[in-house]
Amino acid sequence: AQKVTQAQTEISVVEKEDVTLDCVYETRDTTYYLFWYKQPPSGELVFLIRRNSFDEQNEISGRYSWNFQKSTSSFNFTITASQVVDSAVYFCALSEDQGYSTLTFGKGTMLLVSP
Amino acid sequence: DSGVTQTPKHLITATGQRVTLRCSPRSGDLSVYWYQQSLDQGLQFLIHYYNGEERAKGNILERFSAQQFPDLHSELNLSSLELGDSALYFCASSAGTRDEQFFGPGTRLTVL
Repeated sequence: AQKVTQAQTEISVVEKEDVTLDCVYETRDTTYYLFWYKQPPSGELVFLIRRNSFDEQNEISGRYSWNFQKSTSSFNFTITASQVVDSAVYFCALSEDQGYSTLTFGKGTMLLVSP
Repeated sequence: DSGVTQTPKHLITATGQRVTLRCSPRSGDLSVYWYQQSLDQGLQFLIHYYNGEERAKGNILERFSAQQFPDLHSELNLSSLELGDSALYFCASSAGTRDEQFFGPGTRLTVL
């Protein structure tokens, strides 16, 4: 069975600090997809990124970057120079390639960025 | 705005009652997914429909059912409601069956 673990329940930083959110996953499939979603205080879930298991190239998008390492089953997310607007709950999710992409979510990490 | 709409935004009802949550996917998306978010269980997948057909079931109770109509909107029916059913119910849509999912704003259900 697939499982996603986000060991950090809550992280507090001061604006402009860099912060890394950890995600460790378990799956028996060789083909799978990893996702990060953001849930701001308003409650909606915002899609951030999707990576497949064959693409370990790390990605940078503005202040966001993702580090995918199959050897350690991790898909970590870093925010550089954090801002107050980054305060949200961040969810890591896994989807196995079963012909449909239902998501298994981690418990989420609440990020609080203070001015 | 993801393009996925959900109604109602809030719903307050009593134990034993039945409610219907509605979801309209993004234009062109054929897949609709339902998820439940509660404090103790986190975000859990309930059910997936693709072009009107049920494709996958997750941790969905027998008291819950869903369907996807020919116009691709979906409804989640919750019956014999219990206090523990209080949660945020999300609908998501995707173009196919393996694409990223875009979530609606959710329906917050409170069972008193």
